Amino acid sequence: QKEVEQNSGPLSVPEGAIASLNCTYSDRGSQSFFWYRQYSGKSPELIMSIYSNGDKEDGRFTAQLNKASQYVSLLIRDSQPSDSATYLCAVKNYGQNFVFGPGTRLSVLP
Amino acid sequence: KAGVTQTPRYLIKTRGQQVTLSCSPISGHRSVSWYQQTPGQGLQFLFEYFSETQRNKGNFPGRFSGRQFSNSRSEMNVSTLELGDSALYLCASSPPSEGTDTQYFGPGTRLTVL
Repeated sequence: QKEVEQNSGPLSVPEGAIASLNCTYSDRGSQSFFWYRQYSGKSPELIMSIYSNGDKEDGRFTAQLNKASQYVSLLIRDSQPSDSATYLCAVKNYGQNFVFGPGTRLSVLP
Repeated sequence: KAGVTQTPRYLIKTRGQQVTLSCSPISGHRSVSWYQQTPGQGLQFLFEYFSETQRNKGNFPGRFSGRQFSNSRSEMNVSTLELGDSALYLCASSPPSEGTDTQYFGPGTRLTVL
């Protein structure tokens, strides 16, 4: 059973702080890694994708991948109240379906 | 470019009935995946279709089925509805390039089974 694990939260950070979201996965053959944001009552929205070890930055978001440790993280700099949402980690192996983690609920306090 | 569309957005059914949900992918996308999302189980994969063929299937009973048409539109059907089928059903489409595997979600269909 391929699994993706995340802390369910809620993770509370003050406005302007860095939010750090973590994800571990069990399938060592996984090749593609994604972070989705889901507001309450809405569908998931793609934030970042990462395929190689290291960091990938996009605006206030940085995804970090360590395949040896089977670990992927998302950093949100200068967190805003509008970042309050559930963040889903998704992992995929070639030719197979996506596996999603349970999500981490982030709350950014003004 | 228009996003993924799903119809209907909300649906109320009773136990034992059947339901058909529809998904139109982003223009040019040929892969369509379906997911069930519930508070307790999270986002669970149902099945994926590519060029009218089922490519992957999740661990759901045979009451859950799907198909894809030549224009890439997809439908999923749930027969003999149970209370536990109440969920948000999400459809996601992927671009044709195998190198990206990126999925874009539709707004979902909220199914309530009474």
